[in-house]
Amino acid sequence: DVVMTQSPLSLPVTLGQPASISCRSSQSLVYSDGNTYLNWFQQRPGQSPRRLISQVSNRDSGVPDRFSGSGSGTDFTLKISRVEAEDVGLYYCMQGTHWPLTFGGGTRVEIK
Amino acid sequence: EVQLLESGGGLVQPGGSLRLSCAASGFTFSNFDMSWVRQAPGQGLEWVSSIRGGGPETFYSDSVKGRFTVSRDNSKNTLYLQMTSLRPEDTAVYYCASGLRQIHHWGQGTLVTVSS
Repeated sequence: DVVMTQSPLSLPVTLGQPASISCRSSQSLVYSDGNTYLNWFQQRPGQSPRRLISQVSNRDSGVPDRFSGSGSGTDFTLKISRVEAEDVGLYYCMQGTHWPLTFGGGTRVEIK
Repeated sequence: EVQLLESGGGLVQPGGSLRLSCAASGFTFSNFDMSWVRQAPGQGLEWVSSIRGGGPETFYSDSVKGRFTVSRDNSKNTLYLQMTSLRPEDTAVYYCASGLRQIHHWGQGTLVTVSS
């Protein structure tokens, strides 16, 4: 199975400051069709997950532009340019390239 | 607006069975692959199973293969997960989600508790 390793586990951030979450995969996530199926999800306290980013860097409709995704191959990053109070929660990366589909362990973003 | 509404969760004894349903609306259900993802209490997300839009191709995690069966009724816009031989470690909130390689929309989840 492809192991998705996220860091850090916990990320205390000052409001208005940037935040960055790393996600590394144990194998390349480039699929045979040339696409890289790396997704990012946000899970606010008590809520269902919500997709933020698909295929590494495609921001979903309605997602604030302070969220951005980057990376390639096995190394990916989710960045929040200026953290707001509503960004508190858990963030997960997920690979859809290899079976079984696998998620990272999650990164908890909290306000300092 | 896409809506996914799960139902069928509850308390079941080890070795028991349960069938989850997910009613979909707001999109052309038959055109979309669908997935089930679970989250044990206080834990992360775990992919469980997926099914192609037109069926019958299905996919399972090793932890549920042979015990769970995913199916869909495109005429009813409904996704199902038949769970048998349930174990305490299957205790989790089960989410229905659209998509497969690019899981997108999620339901609110239904809690399955396996305990005697």
